[in-house]
Amino acid sequence: DIQLTQSPSFLSASVGDRVTITCRASQGISTSLAWYQQKPGKAPKLLIYATSTLQSAVPSRFSGSGSGTEFTLTISSLQPEDFATYYCQQLNTFPFTFGPGTKVDIK
Amino acid sequence: EVQLLESGGGLVQPGGSLRLSCAASGFSFSSYAMDWARQAPGKGLEWVSGLSGSGDSTYYADSVKGRFTISRDNSKNTLYLQMNSLRVEDTALYYCAKPKPGGYYGLDVWGQGTTVTVSS
Repeated sequence: DIQLTQSPSFLSASVGDRVTITCRASQGISTSLAWYQQKPGKAPKLLIYATSTLQSAVPSRFSGSGSGTEFTLTISSLQPEDFATYYCQQLNTFPFTFGPGTKVDIK
Repeated sequence: EVQLLESGGGLVQPGGSLRLSCAASGFSFSSYAMDWARQAPGKGLEWVSGLSGSGDSTYYADSVKGRFTISRDNSKNTLYLQMNSLRVEDTALYYCAKPKPGGYYGLDVWGQGTTVTVSS
């Protein structure tokens, strides 16, 4: 099975900060990676798919890049509503797997 | 509006069984693969199982293989997860989710989840 790791697991940031989260796969997954945002008590929300394509209605401050085994999610200017936990997911090979998550908290 | 509504969760003893349902509306259900994912209390997301639109192809996480069975009834627009030989570690909020149109690029619609608690 393909394992995903995320770094950092936790980050503390301020409104307006540029934030980058990294997701690494245990083997190459081409660009078959998605990013989700989850807030407490809510279902995950798809932010980015196919590594870099923004899901409809997702603000343009979110962006994704990468290929193969290393991927990044960047928030260009953190907004109050962005404080949440972010997960990557590989959809290249079954079983699909999620990363362990990165919690973005208010500094 | 595209909606997914899970049901069937509850409290069950270790070794017991439960069947979860996910009622879909607002899209052509039979045209989409469907997935189950779960989240243990205070933990991250875990992909559990997936099923093709026709129901012919099934996929499972290693942690549930041989114990869980995914199925669907396209005439009822409903996805199922039969869970047998339940373990304490299966305790979680179970979500059903729909992939984006065109293939497995991401899960763009999620239900609100149904809670499964395995405890004696």
